[in-house]
Amino acid sequence: NAGVTQTPKFRVLKTGQSMTLLCAQDMNHEYMYWYRQDPGMGLRLIHYSVGEGTTAKGEVPDGYNVSRLKKQNFLLGLESAAPSQTSVYFCASSAVSSANEQFFGPGTRLTVL
Amino acid sequence: DAKTTQPNSMESNEEEPVHLPCNHSTISGTDYIHWYRQLPSQGPEYVIHGLTSNVNNRMASLAIAEDRKSSTLILHRATLRDAAVYYCILKSGGNQFYFGTGTSLTVIP
Repeated sequence: NAGVTQTPKFRVLKTGQSMTLLCAQDMNHEYMYWYRQDPGMGLRLIHYSVGEGTTAKGEVPDGYNVSRLKKQNFLLGLESAAPSQTSVYFCASSAVSSANEQFFGPGTRLTVL
Repeated sequence: DAKTTQPNSMESNEEEPVHLPCNHSTISGTDYIHWYRQLPSQGPEYVIHGLTSNVNNRMASLAIAEDRKSSTLILHRATLRDAAVYYCILKSGGNQFYFGTGTSLTVIP
């Protein structure tokens, strides 16, 4: 099993450009999450999904959109990138359980100039 | 949302036990206590979780105070591979985890 994979690993954007980050999981998990981590900080939840076709806002959703058209994929979009969105983005997935143990991907390092 | 308080950093000698404290004085009765750790340049990984009773697994032990307002993650024999940032997280009935800034553990050879 590959677990949780993220594409791309690195990206540099100019202000105003758009891009989509792809997260894929092969564990048949219902829940998927997108986080961002700024230097010296913990992770903050951007958006999450509790099943195919459903999404919900997390702690810091502004400037991002998401889609979950297939159970195994969770896409994070930036329509008009801003320097404040420079960060490391982590995707995670979890099964439906009391623990909700989350499995994380390796991260995408995004720089917006 | 309930929050946790952890020391910013701790040090431990290799092969000695490590006790990582966490205060969560506003915990509610249904909040689970989770611990994750993040090694350098990696995503976080699950360590352990509990509700009321102490818990053990192959990675660590979790000791929960009787009033649940604090907990301690115990690494029985620290190795260099345990150097990481450790996050204590409260999870309520929803699906959101609030990570905080965690404790950076340094293991001294």
